[in-house]
Amino acid sequence: NAGVTQTPKFRVLKTGQSMTLLCAQDMNHEYMYWYRQDPGMGLRLIHYSVGEGTTAKGEVPDGYNVSRLKKQNFLLGLESAAPSQTSVYFCASSTDGRQETQYFGPGTRLLVL
Amino acid sequence: AQSVTQLDSHVSVSEGTPVLLRCNYSSSYSPSLFWYVQHPNKGLQLLLKYTSAATLVKGINGFEAEFKKSETSFHLTKPSAHMSDAAEYFCVRNTGGFKTIFGAGTRLFVKA
Repeated sequence: NAGVTQTPKFRVLKTGQSMTLLCAQDMNHEYMYWYRQDPGMGLRLIHYSVGEGTTAKGEVPDGYNVSRLKKQNFLLGLESAAPSQTSVYFCASSTDGRQETQYFGPGTRLLVL
Repeated sequence: AQSVTQLDSHVSVSEGTPVLLRCNYSSSYSPSLFWYVQHPNKGLQLLLKYTSAATLVKGINGFEAEFKKSETSFHLTKPSAHMSDAAEYFCVRNTGGFKTIFGAGTRLFVKA
């Protein structure tokens, strides 16, 4: 039982390049989330999904797209990377939305030059 | 707007002394509140959660938190700090509708 895994662990991009971050969970959770973590700001929700084939915007969705084609996977895409997207990205999953624990992946550190 | 305020960005304690990490939340209705811990270069791990069953919540590794509605607080405590407790701690609330609000975090330093 690997829990929540994220690929890659670290990536350097040039401004304007695109990339996809992959999140996978093996706990059969319905809900999945993408967050970004910036110093002094805690975690902010980018997008989330309440089930296979569904996605919704979070607090800071601009510049990102997501897809949930399979229940176990949640992909985060950056179409045209900007330096402001330099951050640590965390994926999480849970069985329910409000009272349930979220299980976090180890994070992806992204540097946009 | 719903909010979570962690009152200290950094807390430093000596090993073996008590730990207090403070968290206040804006009140609208009974919240679901959580404390998560993040060790360096790791993801977040749940310490404990409050979901209205009991006001004193016990978590892992000797941590506990008390929900005080009158003070809109959910402070995290531990009687005796250990070196392995050095990490960043986040107070988190769920407001329903899948909106999760994180505090800015408190970094705990433990001195030998």
